[in-house]
Amino acid sequence: DTAVSQTPKYLVTQMGNDKSIKCEQNLGHDTMYWYKQDSKKFLKIMFSYNNKELIINETVPNRFSPKSPDKAHLNLHINSLELGDSAVYFCASSRGYRTNEKLFFGSGTQLSVL
Amino acid sequence: AQKVTQAQTEISVVEKEDVTLDCVYETRDTTYYLFWYKQPPSGELVFLIRRNSFDEQNEISGRYSWNFQKSTSSFNFTITASQVVDSAVYFCALSASQGAQKLVFGQGTRLTINP
Repeated sequence: DTAVSQTPKYLVTQMGNDKSIKCEQNLGHDTMYWYKQDSKKFLKIMFSYNNKELIINETVPNRFSPKSPDKAHLNLHINSLELGDSAVYFCASSRGYRTNEKLFFGSGTQLSVL
Repeated sequence: AQKVTQAQTEISVVEKEDVTLDCVYETRDTTYYLFWYKQPPSGELVFLIRRNSFDEQNEISGRYSWNFQKSTSSFNFTITASQVVDSAVYFCALSASQGAQKLVFGQGTRLTINP
C-alpha cells in the first residue's frame, strides 16, 4: 500500500481552467502539506494542515485553495490556471507539526498548463 | 530567515568512487533541524536523515555518512563506493525551532553515477 498517494500523476490543461489534485495518506499522521517544485527543482511549501486545520499558508495566490475533509486527506483546488502554475506538486504528511518531524512525500503531480 | 545553499548543481562520477554533496545553511535560531532527502528518477522524495542542532555527532548508515559542523554551518553528505542506484537529486533542508514544520530546501544536487 502506498503511504501517501496523489492523483492524478499527470495533469495537462488549458489556461483558465479549474483543476483539483487529491492526496490521501494511510499512515495515521496528523499533519499534511502541499509543496511546489518548479522547473529548476526548487521546492517550496505552500500549505500545511494539522488535524484538518490550516496552520501554514505561504504567500500563495488566492486561486489555490486547499481543503482537508479529514486528517487523512488534503486536496488542492486551483482556479483560473495560469502558465506559471506549471510545476510538480507534492503532497506530504508527518506524525505531527513540530519542526523536527520527518515528512513522507507522495510521488508528485506534474501539472502542465498550456 | 532561513536559507540552504547547495553549491553543486550537478555531480557526475564513475561507479565505486566516493562523492561528497555539500550543504551550507543559514539561520538565526539556536535550535533547528537539518534533513537530507533523495529524489530518484521516479520522482518521489525519500527521507534519508534528520539532525538537530545540538547533536554534532557524525552519522554513518551503510555507504552513507553525514558530517555536521556548526562552526562552518555545514551538513555534508558522503556516499562511499557509489553505485548506479545512487543516481538521484539530493536535497538538503532546514527547519527552524519555532512554529510549525516548514522545510526550507536547498536547490538540490543532481548526482549521476556512471557505470
